[in-house]
Amino acid sequence: SQTIHQWPATLVQPVGSPLSLECTVEGTSNPNLYWYRQAAGRGLQLLFYSVGIGQISSEVPQNLSASRPQDRQFILSSKKLLLSDSGFYLCAWSVRRADLYGYTFGSGTRLTIV
Amino acid sequence: AQTVTQSQPEMSVQEAETVTLSCTYDTSESDYYLFWYKQPPSRQMILVIRQEAYKQQNATENRFSVNFQKAAKSFSLKISDSQLGDAAMYFCAYRSATGGFKTIFGAGTRLFVKA
Repeated sequence: SQTIHQWPATLVQPVGSPLSLECTVEGTSNPNLYWYRQAAGRGLQLLFYSVGIGQISSEVPQNLSASRPQDRQFILSSKKLLLSDSGFYLCAWSVRRADLYGYTFGSGTRLTIV
Repeated sequence: AQTVTQSQPEMSVQEAETVTLSCTYDTSESDYYLFWYKQPPSRQMILVIRQEAYKQQNATENRFSVNFQKAAKSFSLKISDSQLGDAAMYFCAYRSATGGFKTIFGAGTRLFVKA
């Protein structure tokens, strides 16, 4: 069966520090991968999506970046975190060419910038 | 651009009773998909139910069913025989069938279940 792993679960980082959040999927190949951010009291905001290795599409210009070095690995990064980067980050995957069946989400990372 | 609106920030229901969560959306497209996701306190979001816009029949998954009104652009979720485990944040979501990879989420409705 397919599983998605996301880590760390919680992270407290100082302003200006770098960031690396990792997400891996098991049990499938060629998934579509997504990074979403959930701010308190708001819905989910799509940050990045990827349909293949090295293919990244950005939805919101900001100081975050994403990379997909392997088929089932998706990394969210920042060189210098801002206070506004605090939030709950969710990774998700969907079946290629069957994206319309919905997403499977990871358990999320609670990021607090201090 | 498409939007999804959930007008009820919070709802509560007595255990074993029925509750309906509202969702409206705005789109000029005719072919799309609608979803309800559940995010319990443990935070892992799971797909509850999915509706294809070109299907008139309302989707049903056990105690969860939807009332899809395409002309009114309304997509409500009905939870029957509510259980304590149904307490969660519920998100309505829209996905175009043809326009890219973006799924648009509403702001969510927090459901409380009273014992």
